[in-house]
Amino acid sequence: DGGITQSPKYLFRKEGQNVTLSCEQNLNHDAMYWYRQDPGQGLRLIYYSQIVNDFQKGDIAEGYSVSREKKESFPLTVTSAQKNPTAFYLCASSPRTRETQYFGPGTRLLVL
Amino acid sequence: QKEVEQNSGPLSVPEGAIASLNCTYSDRVSQSFFWYRQYSGKSPELIMSIYSNGDKEDGRFTAQLNKASQYVSLLIRDSQPSDSATYLCAVNSHTGNQFYFGTGTSLTVIP
Repeated sequence: DGGITQSPKYLFRKEGQNVTLSCEQNLNHDAMYWYRQDPGQGLRLIYYSQIVNDFQKGDIAEGYSVSREKKESFPLTVTSAQKNPTAFYLCASSPRTRETQYFGPGTRLLVL
Repeated sequence: QKEVEQNSGPLSVPEGAIASLNCTYSDRVSQSFFWYRQYSGKSPELIMSIYSNGDKEDGRFTAQLNKASQYVSLLIRDSQPSDSATYLCAVNSHTGNQFYFGTGTSLTVIP
């Protein structure tokens, strides 16, 4: 089955802790994206990557970091500098930028 | 001004009726337009994409694009209770490298 997987489904973060959200795709897509969704708000772009070993900041990159060492994987780290991390995090991929984006199932991050 | 604006609703229609969802965008250079459906607690799923002025039909769904008016809409014919969801409009940026999403319109189809 081709698709995008995200893990875990739920993640709990303690104060001052860094946590990493996983995103994997087997669609052979070049571009990958991370979005954050808060209640009543649209999706806001955190980071995106057009190719391996390259990534660009989106509109709300502060407090987050990413890596793109493999085409299939685009993990997102929520650092302790992100003071309001509670949200629904969505990973997406597309064959290339400008093309249709497909979403993974999401990770819900909660702060203890 | 937001890049993409949608009426948040909620929009309620009776089963079998036509639901009309609207979206306006600010970037005149945008070339690609998308409608996604998002059920509560789930991730968005693509319904349709549209790139040229006019109408595009896919089953019960019709997307309409008017670039001169910077307006894109989604019509859902013969609405079903299973269509009850939030509908997100997405538009590509002038660089083409990222999409901007509206806040979504909540649709309820009443049996």
